[in-house]
Amino acid sequence: DAKTTQPNSMESNEEEPVHLPCNHSTISGTDYIHWYRQLPSQGPEYVIHGLTSNVNNRMASLAIAEDRKSSTLILHRATLRDAAVYYCIPTSGSARQLTFGSGTQLTVLP
Amino acid sequence: GAVVSQHPSWVICKSGTSVKIECRSLDFQATTMFWYRQFPKQSLMLMATSNEGSKATYEQGVEKDKFLINHASLTLSTLTVTSAHPEDSSFYICSAIWWGQSEDTQYFGPGTRLTVL
Repeated sequence: DAKTTQPNSMESNEEEPVHLPCNHSTISGTDYIHWYRQLPSQGPEYVIHGLTSNVNNRMASLAIAEDRKSSTLILHRATLRDAAVYYCIPTSGSARQLTFGSGTQLTVLP
Repeated sequence: GAVVSQHPSWVICKSGTSVKIECRSLDFQATTMFWYRQFPKQSLMLMATSNEGSKATYEQGVEKDKFLINHASLTLSTLTVTSAHPEDSSFYICSAIWWGQSEDTQYFGPGTRLTVL
């Protein structure tokens, strides 16, 4: 499995953009990069995923570095409901398993 | 779409009893379901991978005779914690991949909080 490095915690002010970084320098060429988030006492929630190109959906944007060794999850306007632990996870190809690291605890300040 | 439910959402039981947790994919057929466990202030740890109609594959260190997994249909997997003890108290979460999906996105249930007294 590809190793990931994320900051333990980040803070953001409400209604400001948030950029959550992730390093995954050992990612293989066929691994997708998935982002999930987990609110307190809930199961993880899918946020976004991508392979090479930047991706946008209604929740967030995903910017993937050209060498694919890092990616950034972008929340365009953070709300209090975005406070969660965010996990960056390269998939394991045919194994289809997800290996969760420690993630980034995002705190959104009112 | 892609909704996964779990039942119950929380359960309290006495030591030595067995507890069954259900995981259902509500609007899709799930060929593969996963069971995770999460202790307080820790990350999710994969316990087992379950494919419909076949035996589950357990991760190293997970006792298959203690954590019985049944995936009898494309929409239901169950995890039974047998002879539960206080150290089994944890947050149990399932996830599912739908049939034909190629990009490994998993959809998670809301979790089941198990407390063993």
